Amino acid sequence: DVKVTQSSRYLVKRTGEKVFLECVQDMDHENMFWYRQDPGLGLRLIYFSYDVKMKEKGDIPEGYSVSREKKERFSLILESASTNQTSMYLCASSPPTGGIGQPQHFGDGTRLSIL
Amino acid sequence: AQTVTQSQPEMSVQEAETVTLSCTYDTSESDYYLFWYKQPPSRQMILVIRQEAYKQQNATENRFSVNFQKAAKSFSLKISDSQLGDAAMYFCAYEAAGNKLTFGGGTRVLVKP
Repeated sequence: DVKVTQSSRYLVKRTGEKVFLECVQDMDHENMFWYRQDPGLGLRLIYFSYDVKMKEKGDIPEGYSVSREKKERFSLILESASTNQTSMYLCASSPPTGGIGQPQHFGDGTRLSIL
Repeated sequence: AQTVTQSQPEMSVQEAETVTLSCTYDTSESDYYLFWYKQPPSRQMILVIRQEAYKQQNATENRFSVNFQKAAKSFSLKISDSQLGDAAMYFCAYEAAGNKLTFGGGTRVLVKP
């Protein structure tokens, strides 16, 4: 089975701090994704990556950046944390396809609180 | 931009009964996939079922089935013989190019014993 591991289940940080959320997958997947989940809004795509050193903006990239130095690891960075970034963050991965339809595999999520 | 709408924030079902979750979407694409994902209280999101837009036959996975109405842009999920383990958040999702998913707001399913 695919395993997507997020480094923390719960995290509490202060406003203005630089925050790193780490995600590692063990199935050699090319595609990796970061989402934030908020009640009533579902999941919204922050950033995604199709390969090492590649990154693409999703729907809500403002205030975030990402790093993908190795294929298995995709990091989400909050450059200067703000209270409106308090949320659940989910990482996902999927293998590449010539078209579409490949399911994504998700981590357990990190519940981040910014005080 | 594509949008996905789940109009039912919460649904309650008696154990062994059937519940149907609604999902509508908006797109101008002709080739796409639709998914239902389940997020149990332990929080890991897992795939329940998927449907390719070009396939007319509705997808089925054991007790889970969909009613896909392409012209109406509707994609409902039916859970038959509901079990306590079906209690979770359910998300409808749309995928067009690039393996990027657009999710609905979710429906919480409560199962009463």
